[in-house]
Amino acid sequence: DAMVIQNPRYQVTQFGKPVTLSCSQTLNHNVMYWYQQKSSQAPKLLFHYYDKDFNNEADTPDNFQSRRPNTSFCFLDIRSPGLGDAAMYLCATSRESGVNSPLHFGNGTRLTVT
Amino acid sequence: QQQVKQSPQSLIVQKGGISIINCAYENTAFDYFPWYQQFPGKGPALLIAIRPDVSEKKEGRFTISFNKSAKQFSLHIMDSQPGDSATYFCAAPAPDSWGKLQFGAGTQVVVTP
Repeated sequence: DAMVIQNPRYQVTQFGKPVTLSCSQTLNHNVMYWYQQKSSQAPKLLFHYYDKDFNNEADTPDNFQSRRPNTSFCFLDIRSPGLGDAAMYLCATSRESGVNSPLHFGNGTRLTVT
Repeated sequence: QQQVKQSPQSLIVQKGGISIINCAYENTAFDYFPWYQQFPGKGPALLIAIRPDVSEKKEGRFTISFNKSAKQFSLHIMDSQPGDSATYFCAAPAPDSWGKLQFGAGTQVVVTP
């Protein structure tokens, strides 16, 4: 089945130690997104790619970076994780960038910062 | 600043009852309002969506009602089942971008047997 796959499901990192989360898709969608979701809160968009074009949200900290080496893969890099970065990180895709193009989410990576 | 306000935060309903979740938005760049359903340990999944050329959309036991003048929309779950227990998020297009969704804070629905 076509899907959005995130690895790992759980990631523990130390304060200040760089960490990379990965996402792959078999849907061949043009757009890939990274969302941060903290407990009992709405998903918050960090950035997205339309093909190779990167779009950063204005309030996304510089500590967060992303790479999309090809259509299928997208990575979230957190350069110096702080305790406040502990959250569920959700990758999503959509065929096109309009809001009426449904989002397809992965099951997330839960990041713990010690 | 939260553009989409969702209520209630949580809801407990008996099997067979009706679950009602409400959302209010401020301004949007585009008229399209989806609801996403999220089970524990899973990512959200699109449940149902409405464009405001209609005031109501029904898919099975799920119905969206839309009131454009009041800038409000709601999700009704009829004949609620234990398998409907999940967190539900409404969403609306951000006012400054036709391509970006803003999510409500979510409603945790628990359906008791």
